[in-house]
Amino acid sequence: NAGVTQTPKFQVLKTGQSMTLQCAQDMNHNSMYWYRQDPGMGLRLIYYSASEGTTDKGEVPNGYNVSRLNKREFSLRLESAAPSQTSVYFCASSETGTSGITQYFGPGTRLTVL
Amino acid sequence: RKEVEQDPGPFNVPEGATVAFNCTYSNSASQSFFWYRQDCRKEPKLLMSVYSSGNEDGRFTAQLNRASQYISLLIRDSKLSDSATYLCVPASPVGNMLTFGGGTRLMVKP
Repeated sequence: NAGVTQTPKFQVLKTGQSMTLQCAQDMNHNSMYWYRQDPGMGLRLIYYSASEGTTDKGEVPNGYNVSRLNKREFSLRLESAAPSQTSVYFCASSETGTSGITQYFGPGTRLTVL
Repeated sequence: RKEVEQDPGPFNVPEGATVAFNCTYSNSASQSFFWYRQDCRKEPKLLMSVYSSGNEDGRFTAQLNRASQYISLLIRDSKLSDSATYLCVPASPVGNMLTFGGGTRLMVKP
């Protein structure tokens, strides 16, 4: 049981390049999320998917697109990378049980845009 | 007003000390609250959930004051391994949405 996995772990892009960040979870969770974390700031939600086949914008969606490929996988795409998108990106998935909401995070992707 | 406000710290304490972090939140409709722990350059991990007026888990005690929209985390008998950033996280009343505070950094010294 690997939990939430993300690839790649590190990436350096030039301005204008595109790339896709991959995320997969093996916990059979319905909901998945993409966050970014910048120094000194909390995690900010980019997009989320409440269930397979649905996606919604979060707090900072501009410059990103997502695909919920199936229940396990949720990818984040940068079509034309900008230096302002230099950040650490975390994917998460969640269950809703009797104890409430618990989100499990992947190890993150450290992205630098030059 | 920010949705979640935390003192960024750092809090520098000796081993064995008791330390408390505070957090205020703006959404009075939030029903569930969490403390996450984040080690340097790692992902956040759930430390504990906070329900009702509060709860205790070993050396950790979380308290909730809904009237003041205030959550606290108390760590007793601090260990070197407690050094991390602690994130205050209220849940939105709609959907499985969490709002993360900027975190409070704790450094426990020998």
